[in-house]
Amino acid sequence: DGGITQSPKYLFRKEGQNVTLSCEQNLNHDAMYWYRQDPGQGLRLIYYSQIVNDFQKGDIAEGYSVSREKKESFPLTVTSAQKNPTAFYLCASSREFGYTFGSGTRLTVV
Amino acid sequence: EDQVTQSPEALRLQEGESSSLNCSYTVSGLRGLFWYRQDPGKGPEFLFTLYSAGEEKEKERLKATLTKKESFLHITAPKPEDSATYLCAVQEIGAAGNKLTFGGGTRVLVKP
Repeated sequence: DGGITQSPKYLFRKEGQNVTLSCEQNLNHDAMYWYRQDPGQGLRLIYYSQIVNDFQKGDIAEGYSVSREKKESFPLTVTSAQKNPTAFYLCASSREFGYTFGSGTRLTVV
Repeated sequence: EDQVTQSPEALRLQEGESSSLNCSYTVSGLRGLFWYRQDPGKGPEFLFTLYSAGEEKEKERLKATLTKKESFLHITAPKPEDSATYLCAVQEIGAAGNKLTFGGGTRVLVKP
């Protein structure tokens, strides 16, 4: 079955460390997205990519970085510059209308 | 700037007690309005897409409607398994990257 796989499901990071969240899709979708979700808040766009080797900043890109070397993969790195990284991170992909979401990664800074 | 506001923030219902969730939006030109269901600790699951005012879509106990300024998600005779957070999102015509703008969600709890 086609879908989006995010890993790991839970991730713990020490302050000052960079961590990378994985997102892989086998839906043959061109566009991929990263959103952040905080308790009681809506999803906020971090980065998106419409084609391989190209990506754009979303509304809250500071402290994050991405790459899109393959159509299927869109990893997100949370750098030490991100002041408040504890959140639920969602990856999505799209062909044209609407998104298909992954199951999310919960990142906690300890 | 696109704005999406959902109300109420939380809703407690008795099983069988029908209710409606509201999603108000401000967008220059609407390409589509989307409803998702999200269970705790999981990614959102697609429910409906609405494209133009007057459109309605149904799925089991859920019915979504759309006007030029808002959308409603009606839950008829809810069951405990309908407990979830319901998210509304809009896609504007010409939006960079076809991005969706999400509302804050409505947390629905249906008690037996």
